[in-house]
Amino acid sequence: AQSVAQPEDQVNVAEGNPLTVKCTYSVSGNPYLFWYVQYPNRGLQFLLKYITGDNLVKGSYGFEAEFNKSQTSFHLKKPSALVSDSALYFCAVRSLGGSYIPTFGRGTSLIVHP
Amino acid sequence: DTEVTQTPKHLVMGMTNKKSLKCEQHMGHRAMYWYKQKAKKPPELMFVYSYEKLSINESVPSRFSPECPNSSLLNLHLHALQPEDSALYLCARPSLGGDTQYFGPGTRLTVL
Repeated sequence: AQSVAQPEDQVNVAEGNPLTVKCTYSVSGNPYLFWYVQYPNRGLQFLLKYITGDNLVKGSYGFEAEFNKSQTSFHLKKPSALVSDSALYFCAVRSLGGSYIPTFGRGTSLIVHP
Repeated sequence: DTEVTQTPKHLVMGMTNKKSLKCEQHMGHRAMYWYKQKAKKPPELMFVYSYEKLSINESVPSRFSPECPNSSLLNLHLHALQPEDSALYLCARPSLGGDTQYFGPGTRLTVL
C-alpha cells in the first residue's frame, strides 16, 4: 500500500519570503515522488519528481524539493515566493516496480500575500 | 506543454442528456487515464486504458462509459448523470519512460 500525507490544508506566506509545503509518504520499496500544481479551473501541472540520485530536485518556476529517506519526506520549497505561486499543490507517490498509478495527497492551498 | 487536449472546456447538461468528453494525445503513448476531481480535492482515478483496452475500472457507475477508438483518442460517454457527478474531469498520459503522469486541462462538467 502507498499513501501520502500533506499535513497542512493551507500555507500562508508573504511575497519574497521562502515557502515550504510539506509532504510525507509511505510506500513499499523505493519511492517515485512527484509534486503537481493546480491553478483555478486548470488541470494539474507537473512541477518536479524524485526517482533516484540527488536528494535535492529542481523543477519548474524556481521550485525545488528535498527527498529525505529517513524522515520519509519530500517537502516542496522555493527561496522567494511570488503572488502568482498561489495555487493548490499536490504531492504524489508510487513505488518503484509497483503500480504505475500514483497516490495523491489531499492537497495544500498556498496563498502568497503581497 | 503536456500535449494532451480535452474538449469541451466546459459542459452543462441535464440529468436526462447524453454527452461525451473527448481527450486527445499525439505522442504515441499506449496508456491513457480518466480522473474525476471535485473542488479542492485530489484527482480520483476512474479508468485506465492500456494499448486501447480497458485495464482498470475503479468501480465507476455505468452512467460513465469510456471508449478508446485508437491510440490517440479517448472518449468518456455520459448518460443519466446526477448532480453529484459535477466535477472537473481530467485525462492524463504517461511520460515516455512511464514514470510520470501528465494531465490535460480538463473539462468542467456541471449536471443540473
